Amino acid sequence: SQQGEEDPQALSIQEGENATMNCSYKTSINNLQWYRQNSGRGLVHLILIRSNEREKHSGRLRVTLDTSKKSSSLLITASRAADTASYFCATDAQGAQKLVFGQGTRLTINP
Amino acid sequence: DAGITQSPRHKVTETGTPVTLRCHQTENHRYMYWYRQDPGHGLRLIHYSYGVKDTDKGEVSDGYSVSRSKTEDFLLTLESATSSQTSVYFCAISEFERGPATQYFGPGTRLTVL
Repeated sequence: SQQGEEDPQALSIQEGENATMNCSYKTSINNLQWYRQNSGRGLVHLILIRSNEREKHSGRLRVTLDTSKKSSSLLITASRAADTASYFCATDAQGAQKLVFGQGTRLTINP
Repeated sequence: DAGITQSPRHKVTETGTPVTLRCHQTENHRYMYWYRQDPGHGLRLIHYSYGVKDTDKGEVSDGYSVSRSKTEDFLLTLESATSSQTSVYFCAISEFERGPATQYFGPGTRLTVL
């Protein structure tokens, strides 16, 4: 069963706009991670946020975590065409050595 | 791709034939994983390994077996391929002991079972 559920499943915005994706999960976690997958490629790790953190930044990425609501959001600011990809959240609820991935959000940045 | 290769990258086979996919890493990471990715299901864990000859099942292990005789190689075998095993297979590695289990992925193998 999937631990993480991303919302929306697909998102299409104009270049320069901000993109927000959400992830909800069901059980307690140690940390939550976000990955990006370009078409036809493997996943690439973007950012990790620990359960005792509420917000984390990395370049144009901002991740928030609300453990009381069991949810996280990924914000990409000033989007670029190169940000077009699928984005997945992953949690370690089954033990830190294993991750459970959501189904992903497909983001399209229109020029 | 973090020193991870997968072979073959593409394979077409027939129902009932055995298939072995190989994952090779040059990072000396302890943990290795096999996932399958299907539309509507995201990534699902098939098997993983936490050391040489140490493996465990994941969420969708039926019909698959794995072996790890060397740190750098993790093999996934479909003993008798079925059409439901048509998928894209990803290998990943992780070095959990150095912190949270960030995973690094290979480029994937696209398998078609006719």
